Amino acid sequence: EPEVTQTPSHQVTQMGQEVILRCVPISNHLYFYWYRQILGQKVEFLVSFYNNEISEKSEIFDDQFSVERPDGSNFTLKIRSTKLEDSAMYFCASSEVSPLAGEDTQYFGPGTRLTVL
Amino acid sequence: KQEVTQIPAALSVPEGENLVLNCSFTDSAIYNLQWFRQDPGKGLTSLLLIQSSQREQTSGRLNASLDKSSGRSTLYIAASQPGDSATYLCAVDTGGFKTIFGAGTRLFVKA
Repeated sequence: EPEVTQTPSHQVTQMGQEVILRCVPISNHLYFYWYRQILGQKVEFLVSFYNNEISEKSEIFDDQFSVERPDGSNFTLKIRSTKLEDSAMYFCASSEVSPLAGEDTQYFGPGTRLTVL
Repeated sequence: KQEVTQIPAALSVPEGENLVLNCSFTDSAIYNLQWFRQDPGKGLTSLLLIQSSQREQTSGRLNASLDKSSGRSTLYIAASQPGDSATYLCAVDTGGFKTIFGAGTRLFVKA
């Protein structure tokens, strides 16, 4: 069964460093998402992406974050200058159908645990 | 602003028991509601998706209902098994390409 993959599974970085988290969505999916989950807290929406553009972003997704689909298979989340509070599990998700159709089951990757020291 | 609340926060039941998990949301203008399962340290697995025009969805021992007007959904698990132990998350799609999650119900099924 097709699945969303994410690399690395765990990333440790120093405060102020840039990190890039990578995701490979399911191949025929067109809608892509990033979420984060701080330990013990809710899963929080960061950004949605379609047709090489951001569709929606949350207030968390400020100027230090960016997303990109550099080729036909990868979807990346870049954090420019990491802060301690960026430590969290970051999940990528994809769906085949537009959320406006109401039947957009989202398929999640296993996550990347980011630790900022 | 859409908020999603799940009750109870944690639940422990003996194997074989039927159980109900509750989810409520503040804004009834949703496109769909999705129930997920999350195992410790793992990603989310979609269990059921109910579109806004639907009242319920079933998959095996799971049944999810949706009452959009009252802002409520329930996930019914029949004949619970130890393998059902996980955190169950409710999430609503606001239609603005944005999904809002509840904090989850942590379920433990005792053998």
